[in-house]
Amino acid sequence: DIQMTQSPSTLSASVGDSVTVTCRASQSISMWLAWYQQKPGKAPKLLIYKASTLERGVPSRFSGSGSGTEFTLTISSLQPDDFASYYCQHYNSYSWTFGQGTKVEIK
Amino acid sequence: QITLKESGTTLVKPTQTLTLTCTVSGFSLSTSGVGVGWIRQPPGKALEWLALIYWDDDKRYSPSLKNRLTVTKDTFKNQVVLTMTNMDPVDTATYYCAHRDWNDVFDYWGQGTLVTVSS
Repeated sequence: DIQMTQSPSTLSASVGDSVTVTCRASQSISMWLAWYQQKPGKAPKLLIYKASTLERGVPSRFSGSGSGTEFTLTISSLQPDDFASYYCQHYNSYSWTFGQGTKVEIK
Repeated sequence: QITLKESGTTLVKPTQTLTLTCTVSGFSLSTSGVGVGWIRQPPGKALEWLALIYWDDDKRYSPSLKNRLTVTKDTFKNQVVLTMTNMDPVDTATYYCAHRDWNDVFDYWGQGTLVTVSS
């Protein structure tokens, strides 16, 4: 089974900062990677799929990159609404595997 | 507008079977390409995918839980049902259903339902 590992587990940042979350796959997954945002008590929200394609309606300050085994989610100019947890997810029509999550908190 | 809503037992005793229903609207469970997945999240922990059913009744299960899970659908009722046998306190979690889109990701989610396993 493919394992997804995110780092860091927690990230402290200020409004206006640029932050990067990393997700590593235990084996190559091509570009089959998505990113979700989750706020406390709410369902996850899809941000990015196919490693770098922005879901409709998602602000352009969110961007994704990578392929193979290493991927990044970057939030440029962090906004108050962006303080949340972020999850990467590998998908391949047979299974969907989430990373353990990264919490972006206010410094 | 696509919506999903989970319902079912919220308190289950150890060893009992959990049954959850996902009622969907805004799309048909028989439309080619459609899938509905189940994902859970223990309090304070990460998301875990459980199962998915496709429009053609093909099914996928998490390898670690497949012996305990069954997913079915009723197209006429617009419902997807998840059953999980032999429940344990570690299965306490918020259970979500979600719409799988053509990109194979979950683009619409239900609000989730908290299931507690306790005697």
